[in-house]
Amino acid sequence: QVQLQESGPGLVKPSETLSLICTVSGGSINYYYWSWIRQPPGKGLEWIGYIYYSGGTNYNASLKSRVTISVDTSKNQISLELTSMTAADTAVYYCTRHPYGSGSDHWGQGTLVTVSS
Amino acid sequence: DIQMTQSPSTLSASVGDRVTITCRASQSISSWLAWYQQKPGKSPKLLIYKASTLQSGVPSRFSGSGSGTEFTLTISSLQPDDFATYYCQQYSSSWGFGQGTKVEIK
Repeated sequence: QVQLQESGPGLVKPSETLSLICTVSGGSINYYYWSWIRQPPGKGLEWIGYIYYSGGTNYNASLKSRVTISVDTSKNQISLELTSMTAADTAVYYCTRHPYGSGSDHWGQGTLVTVSS
Repeated sequence: DIQMTQSPSTLSASVGDRVTITCRASQSISSWLAWYQQKPGKSPKLLIYKASTLQSGVPSRFSGSGSGTEFTLTISSLQPDDFATYYCQQYSSSWGFGQGTKVEIK
């Protein structure tokens, strides 16, 4: 059974960089897209970006200047970095597995990141 | 970027009702559309992908249709477990979500 687990700081100061890790267990990273999606409290889902297991990336245009997603196949981990954090970046951040041609069929439980001084 | 517009934003319905949610894309996305269900405090769950393919384990009362720019999610007979928020997602180009449709008890 594939499981995804997000980890990282729950609190980030304004202007700082958020670093999150998604650890995949029970399956391989290979041959899948891996995406980060966030959800501000009480609001809808926002796609941040994805990475293919081989390293190709695609980012939301509105976040592109601040986002980096990377993959470490040896550790079965996907990482997210989001720079210059503001209160508007406060959200639950999800990691998902997205088979080619399908939707996101596995989601992590999500991690709440609050931006506050 | 492709914009996804869902309607309605909120839908009040009773158990047993047939429910339809619409998602429109600002340009053609072929059939690269997924539907998700989300309950409060939980991660979204994949229901439908490629516009009309039912994800394994999802009840057959859920169905999806459409291609190009207009898509629908139908619940043939609403069950108590179906009261939730539903999102469409396009994964044709630089993925994106609709704003969501909350299905609430009438």
